[in-house]
Amino acid sequence: AQSVTQLGSHVSVSEGALVLLRCNYSSSVPPYLFWYVQYPNQGLQLLLKYTSAATLVKGINGFEAEFKKSETSFHLTKPSAHMSDAAEYFCAVSGTGANNLFFGTGTRLTVIP
Amino acid sequence: DSGVTQTPKHLITATGQRVTLRCSPRSGDLSVYWYQQSLDQGLQFLIQYYNGEERAKGNILERFSAQQFPDLHSELNLSSLELGDSALYFCASSAQGAANTEAFFGQGTRLTVV
Repeated sequence: AQSVTQLGSHVSVSEGALVLLRCNYSSSVPPYLFWYVQYPNQGLQLLLKYTSAATLVKGINGFEAEFKKSETSFHLTKPSAHMSDAAEYFCAVSGTGANNLFFGTGTRLTVIP
Repeated sequence: DSGVTQTPKHLITATGQRVTLRCSPRSGDLSVYWYQQSLDQGLQFLIQYYNGEERAKGNILERFSAQQFPDLHSELNLSSLELGDSALYFCASSAQGAANTEAFFGQGTRLTVV
């Protein structure tokens, strides 16, 4: 069975500060891991995905995430927050035996001017 | 624009009623997924279809059913609606339905049961 835990339902950062959103996964099979972003009144958009190639994954809008098997983590980072990054972020996992995604509870990012 | 179209965008209906949500996947995508997003349950996988066949089932209630038609559009039918069914229902599609491929999400249908 696969699951993800997102630590922190709300994160606030100042504009220009580092963004760190935490995600830990549990999977009985080698996982595929995803970060999605949801802007108000919109669907989910893929930021990046880990599919067992490079452990450091670069995504859109300057975000990246590092897969750490020893820590079962896939934290999302961005060096410098922009006001446009304010949104809800979801970590998700799927496994080789399951095509669907198991989502975390989401982290709402607020960027303070 | 993800290329996934969901209709209607908003739906308000009474308890006990039945509604149908429609999804048109991206052109060429064979796999369709349905998810429910609610405040108390978060984003939950309901069901997946691949090229007309049911492939995976998640936390879908017996009152809910879905199908994928030959033209690959999908419908989610919700019956005997309860207040707790109020949620945002997302459809997503992917090319082959493999676990490592990106799923593209529609903008959702917001269902309000009164």
